[in-house]
Amino acid sequence: DQQVKQNSPSLSVQEGRISILNCDYTNSMFDYFLWYKKYPAEGPTFLISISSIKDKNEDGRFTVFLNKSAKHLSLHIVPSQPGDSAVYFCAASKYNFNKFYFGSGTKLNVKP
Amino acid sequence: NAGVTQTPKFQVLKTGQSMTLQCAQDMNHNSMYWYRQDPGMGLRLIYYSASEGTTDKGEVPNGYNVSRLNKREFSLRLESAAPSQTSVYFCASSEGEGLAEYTQYFGPGTRLTVL
Repeated sequence: DQQVKQNSPSLSVQEGRISILNCDYTNSMFDYFLWYKKYPAEGPTFLISISSIKDKNEDGRFTVFLNKSAKHLSLHIVPSQPGDSAVYFCAASKYNFNKFYFGSGTKLNVKP
Repeated sequence: NAGVTQTPKFQVLKTGQSMTLQCAQDMNHNSMYWYRQDPGMGLRLIYYSASEGTTDKGEVPNGYNVSRLNKREFSLRLESAAPSQTSVYFCASSEGEGLAEYTQYFGPGTRLTVL
């Protein structure tokens, strides 16, 4: 049973608009969350993180929001660029930062 | 600085054959990991090594063994390959100390097919 879920397998957005990628988790003990980006034939690369003591973290065009009561996090990309087209994975950990549970990924397509 | 390297990139095995996937990192990281990625499943942790000399099971360890050869190298062995082990395998490493240093850096992956 997957503890981290990304229910949208794909998302298509126009260049310059906002992309919102969602992630839900079932385990309330998770306290550290990451987003990774993956291009075809490459390994995932780290994008942004958030710990459970925060509800928002920003890094340039990327912002992650955490709603602990809803067990939900989202990644906002503003403005979206064609180079952002990739698969995005969210991941969560509970106390043991060597064990991360990954969602199944959302494929983002940013159209020029 | 190559980061995390994996060999081979592709491999086809017959059921029952054995093989070892190699991983090396040149970032002086303490922790290393092996994941598998299957369609619709995301990445699942097979084994990890929090530091040189230690290894622990992840979510899906059955059918695999690992060796942390030294600080740089972490290998994954399939003793008797099964079609269910057809997957893309990723190795990763992280500094492993301090909250901000648990970010994992991934290799390019090994695509394994078991016939």
